[in-house]
Amino acid sequence: DIVMTQSPDSLAVSLGERATINCKSSQSVLYSSNNKNYLAWYQQKPGQPPKLLIYWASTRESGVPDRFSGSGSGTDFTLTISSLQAEDVAVYYCQQYYTTAYTFGQGTKLEIK
Amino acid sequence: QVQLQESGPGLVKPSETLSLTCTVSGGSISSYYWSWIRQPPGKGLEWIGYIYHSGSTNYNPSLKSRVTILVDTSKNQFSLKLSSVTVADTAVYYCARSGYSGSPLSWIDPWGQGTLVTVSS
Repeated sequence: DIVMTQSPDSLAVSLGERATINCKSSQSVLYSSNNKNYLAWYQQKPGQPPKLLIYWASTRESGVPDRFSGSGSGTDFTLTISSLQAEDVAVYYCQQYYTTAYTFGQGTKLEIK
Repeated sequence: QVQLQESGPGLVKPSETLSLTCTVSGGSISSYYWSWIRQPPGKGLEWIGYIYHSGSTNYNPSLKSRVTILVDTSKNQFSLKLSSVTVADTAVYYCARSGYSGSPLSWIDPWGQGTLVTVSS
């Protein structure tokens, strides 16, 4: 299985400031045949299911605010929230779909400082 | 848009079989891949397995010996059976869709609201 490791486990950021969450895979999730990274990011608020934010590592899902962006390639990825809003308090997960045995990172809890 | 709803018992005894059903509305189950994912209280997400509308399946190797996922296209439903449960199987169980562009190598969206299953005597 591909192991996904996120850092940090928790993060406190001031409103309006930038938040950065990292995700590292134990092997590359980049398919050379199409040059796509098979990685997604999700946001989960308390009592709710995860919500898709980004797929193909950097493609924002329809309706997701443009303050959310994804970057990276191969084994190292980043989710950035450019200007933190109160409603962004949540746990964020990365997921690889490079193999059919999907695996998730352990989650990063984002709070307001 | 497509919506998913989990249903089933909220309490299961140790050593028994957990059974859940996911009903898909707003779209046909006869395409895409349909997954079960679980989340123990206060912990992270674990993919359990998926089924294609044809009935082909793929399971998490760590759970494979205990998991069965079936599809009923006539009812637009798919189901999960997890046998020989222990307290470690206590979790919120989500059903969800993947398989964009006709491939199982896909992100997961949308998700059902989830249902808490507690394993306890």
